[in-house]
Amino acid sequence: DAGVIQSPRHEVTEMGQEVTLRCKPISGHDYLFWYRQTMMRGLELLIYFNNNVPIDDSGMPEDRFSAKMPNASFSTLKIQPSEPRDSAVYFCASSFEGDYYEQYFGPGTRLTVT
Amino acid sequence: QKEVEQNSGPLSVPEGAIASLNCTYSDRVSQSFFWYRQYSGKSPELIMSIYSNGDKEDGRFTAQLNKASQYVSLLIRDSQPSDSATYLCAADINQGGKLIFGQGTELSVKP
Repeated sequence: DAGVIQSPRHEVTEMGQEVTLRCKPISGHDYLFWYRQTMMRGLELLIYFNNNVPIDDSGMPEDRFSAKMPNASFSTLKIQPSEPRDSAVYFCASSFEGDYYEQYFGPGTRLTVT
Repeated sequence: QKEVEQNSGPLSVPEGAIASLNCTYSDRVSQSFFWYRQYSGKSPELIMSIYSNGDKEDGRFTAQLNKASQYVSLLIRDSQPSDSATYLCAADINQGGKLIFGQGTELSVKP
């Protein structure tokens, strides 16, 4: 199995620009999660989907953040406009209810906003 | 009160010793618990999951769960320098797939 795939692996952008992060979950998984990790705040859940439907977006910091899951094999996290405080590592993870919700993480996208 | 709590460490043990990592959780409804290992600059990697009271062993790793005390632990026997990482405890608080993570415990195994 290829595991969770994320792109890009690194993103450097200027403040005010739009950033789009992409994720392909493990085939057959019905849950998809977006996390953000910083030294100060640790691992934070931003939003998660079940069968392509957003279930809980209470962790999304503000309206500048949006996420979509148009089909079972693809999701995007968009930040518009980006700010320096958005600099972090963004992880995507997926899980399957039949496996007791064991989550498997992608390699992450390191975002730097200058 | 945080839902999942861990000592941040760092926890330092000599090579070959047993490393003991602890985690407490606040919600009695939680049924599933997970330990992740995260090397610096890498993503969290699932190493153990436990759902029933008692011990679960996998190689050098043993997970222990005590639901009455709301306590989960991870023991690493014969610790190796390659075990040096941050260990994250997670609980499935609402039994709906959403995991709550602790802040992680940094483990350092000294040769």
